[in-house]
Amino acid sequence: NAGVTQTPKFQVLKTGQSMTLQCAQDMNHNSMYWYRQDPGMGLRLIYYSASEGTTDKGEVPDGYNVSRLKKQNFLLGLESAAPSQTSVYFCASSQPGGATYEQYFGPGTRLTVT
Amino acid sequence: QKEVEQDPGPLSVPEGAIVSLNCTYSNSAFQYFMWYRQYSRKGPELLMYTYSSGNKEDGRFTAQVDKSSKYISLFIRDSQPSDSATYLCAMSGNTGGFKTIFGAGTRLFVKA
Repeated sequence: NAGVTQTPKFQVLKTGQSMTLQCAQDMNHNSMYWYRQDPGMGLRLIYYSASEGTTDKGEVPDGYNVSRLKKQNFLLGLESAAPSQTSVYFCASSQPGGATYEQYFGPGTRLTVT
Repeated sequence: QKEVEQDPGPLSVPEGAIVSLNCTYSNSAFQYFMWYRQYSRKGPELLMYTYSSGNKEDGRFTAQVDKSSKYISLFIRDSQPSDSATYLCAMSGNTGGFKTIFGAGTRLFVKA
């Protein structure tokens, strides 16, 4: 099993450009998440999806959109990139239910917006 | 005030030392308490979890939860250079969706 995979690994954007970060999982998990990680801030939830076709906002959703058309894929879009979106982005997945204690993370995408 | 507070360090210790990592939290609804380990340029991976209060031991690692003080700890015995990583505490519970809240992470360096 590959677990959680993310593409691309690195990306440099100019302010105003758009892009989509891709995430795939092969563990048949229902729940998927997008986080950003910034120095001193820890992991902050951008969006999450409890099941295929459903999405909900997390702590920092502004400037992002998501799509969960297939159970195994969760896409994160940046509509008009800003320097404040320079960060490392992690996708994660987990089993549903009350015990969301174990999330499986991908390797991350390092995004720089100039 | 953040829901979860964690000292970012860095914490530098000699090989073989006992390491103590801590987090405090403010939301009494948290029921699950986790510790994730993150190596440089990798994604976090679950190290241990505890439900409610008490201790849990796994090899050289011990997790403690004190819900009355809203304080959790991770102890690493006989620390090794391979333990050098960032350790993130995380918590979840019935806070309206069982979302997990992560601490900022503590960077640990174990010197050989």
